[in-house]
Amino acid sequence: RKEVEQDPGPFNVPEGATVAFNCTYSNSASQSFFWYRQDCRKEPKLLMSVYSSGNEDGRFTAQLNRASQYISLLIRDSKLSDSATYLCVVNKAGGFKTIFGAGTRLFVKA
Amino acid sequence: DTAVSQTPKYLVTQMGNDKSIKCEQNLGHDTMYWYKQDSKKFLKIMFSYNNKELIINETVPNRFSPKSPDKAHLNLHINSLELGDSAVYFCASSPSRLTESSYNEQFFGPGTRLTVL
Repeated sequence: RKEVEQDPGPFNVPEGATVAFNCTYSNSASQSFFWYRQDCRKEPKLLMSVYSSGNEDGRFTAQLNRASQYISLLIRDSKLSDSATYLCVVNKAGGFKTIFGAGTRLFVKA
Repeated sequence: DTAVSQTPKYLVTQMGNDKSIKCEQNLGHDTMYWYKQDSKKFLKIMFSYNNKELIINETVPNRFSPKSPDKAHLNLHINSLELGDSAVYFCASSPSRLTESSYNEQFFGPGTRLTVL
């Protein structure tokens, strides 16, 4: 089993749609969780950290379920510019290594 | 004003050659990383340095040798290049060593696309 697993997609949605991505992680002692965004042929950039109580940033909402060891990202009112690959990222306990999921591709169409 | 820069952006070379990729960050960060992203887009950590000290060395062939002359630079030298080394290599930095309670963001360079022929 991979340490961090994501549905690779692609997710094809119309503008204005709501879309959700899930990510599961295998190490129950993992401590820090993030969503990064990577555009085609570009570097990954932090989208948002994921806090235990869940957090929201504009149209984006991140949730953490430690009991089930999964993280989710919800995007409301999708924009064309949201088209990208979304990477789930987990920081292992002990803190020195960050594990990236393989990413979920999102295409938002007009 | 580039935060994390890498050179070169593209590198095409023959099998068996030795090449280097340079990375510099002007963010004042303590920790720097090298990642490899293969054709399946899987991003995997290779090395991490904190204040010039190696703290992560994943299962990477010893043909790969990182060098950190100071905490703003982390270069990657690759000997005897092989076809399987073809990938995009990303350098990244973060403010301090990741700890259990840290939420340090990693800032990535633009990547170096290495093609081994």
